[in-house]
Amino acid sequence: EAAVTQSPRSKVAVTGGKVTLSCHQTNNHDYMYWYRQDTGHGLRLIHYSYVADSTEKGDIPDGYKASRPSQENFSLILELASLSQTAVYFCASSDRAEVFFGKGTRLTVV
Amino acid sequence: TQTVSQSDAHVTVFEGDSVELRCNYSYGGSIYLSWYIQHHGHGLQFLLKYYSGNPVVQGVNGFEAEFSKSDSSFHLRKASVHWSDSAVYFCAVSPNSNNRIFFGDGTQLVVKP
Repeated sequence: EAAVTQSPRSKVAVTGGKVTLSCHQTNNHDYMYWYRQDTGHGLRLIHYSYVADSTEKGDIPDGYKASRPSQENFSLILELASLSQTAVYFCASSDRAEVFFGKGTRLTVV
Repeated sequence: TQTVSQSDAHVTVFEGDSVELRCNYSYGGSIYLSWYIQHHGHGLQFLLKYYSGNPVVQGVNGFEAEFSKSDSSFHLRKASVHWSDSAVYFCAVSPNSNNRIFFGDGTQLVVKP
C-alpha cells in the first residue's frame, strides 16, 4: 500500500533553533510536496520537488529550506524557527492524479 | 494564475440528506481534478479523481463528482450523508503542464443527527 511517513509527529522547538522535518515515501513517486496548514485553514505549499537533488519554491518558501537527497526522502528545514511557523506540516507524494499525504507533524515554536 | 474556488466555507445538513460541495477552477488546459477529505486532527485522504472520460466519477463511501468543462467545475455529491461524513473537504487541481497541485480552501461539512 502506498505510504508517506513523516517524522517526528510532533515537536516543540525553541525560537531561533533549527528544525528538520523528515518525510519518506514508498510510492515510487517523482513528485513530493511540503504543505503547511494553520488551524482552520487550507493547505499552503512551501516547497516541492519532482526529481531527486532538485527542489522548487512553492507559495510560502520564506524561512524554509528543502532537501531531496533521494526519490524516497524529502526534508523540510527551518534554520531559525520563529513563532509564526507554529503549524501542522504535511508531506505528500503524487503521481499527479492522486496525492498521498503523511499524517502530519505538529510543530510548536515557543 | 491558477485558482481553485470552494465557494462554501461551511455546509450543514442532516443525516440522510443529500449534499453537494462546490468546486470551481480557473485553468484552460488539460488538468487532473480530485477531492480529499480531512477529519478533525488527521491528514488528508483521497476520495476520487478525474482526468478524462466519463465526467461523473465514483469515489469511496458513496461520494461522486461531476466534471463540467463549460462551467469549469468539479462538484462533489453524496445522495445520503452519514454523521461520519462530517469533515473538511478539499478540491484539488493539477495542471498537466506543470508540477504543481493547487488546493481550494476547503469546505467544512457538518452532518447533524
